[in-house]
Amino acid sequence: AQKVTQAQTEISVVEKEDVTLDCVYETRDTTYYLFWYKQPPSGELVFLIRRNSFDEQNEISGRYSWNFQKSTSSFNFTITASQVVDSAVYFCALSEARRETSGSRLTFGEGTQLTVNP
Amino acid sequence: EAGVAQSPRYKIIEKRQSVAFWCNPISGHATLYWYQQILGQGPKLLIQFQNNGVVDDSQLPKDRFSAERLKGVDSTLKIQPAKLEDSAVYLCASSSWGELFFGEGSRLTVL
Repeated sequence: AQKVTQAQTEISVVEKEDVTLDCVYETRDTTYYLFWYKQPPSGELVFLIRRNSFDEQNEISGRYSWNFQKSTSSFNFTITASQVVDSAVYFCALSEARRETSGSRLTFGEGTQLTVNP
Repeated sequence: EAGVAQSPRYKIIEKRQSVAFWCNPISGHATLYWYQQILGQGPKLLIQFQNNGVVDDSQLPKDRFSAERLKGVDSTLKIQPAKLEDSAVYLCASSSWGELFFGEGSRLTVL
């Protein structure tokens, strides 16, 4: 069975601080995908990144960066120079790697509520 | 490109009543999902459709929940009769090439 653990329930930082959101996963699959989603107060889930289990290169996109370490089953997310608009719930998720066109169910973690104070 | 459309956005009912939610996926997306998100928790998959066939409904409480996707496009999720613990946001998503796109959700409150 697949499982995603986000141990940090809530994090509060002051604007411009860097913050890292932790994600640890469990799966028996050798091939899988990892995701991060942002859920602002409006409620919609906003896709941030998808990572294939074969690709362990870290990725940077603007102020966002992701550290994927297969050896520790972790896929951590760092926001550099946080801003008030980053305040949201962030979810880490895991899916099997089925055929691309058939889609795969996502297993979500419980989420981390990030509050960035001015 | 239009996103995933859901309605209604909000619904308040009393326990033992019934409710239905509607979802229109992104055009051309063959896979459609319904997730349940209880307050303070991550979304949990209820059912997955591939075109108009069910791929996975293992976590759907079939004694009260039902879903259909006629003609492989729109989908409806029904709850009958509703219980207090069904209060949640019901998220519809569709996917193409592995990336899921979520709608804004339908928030259900059962009194």
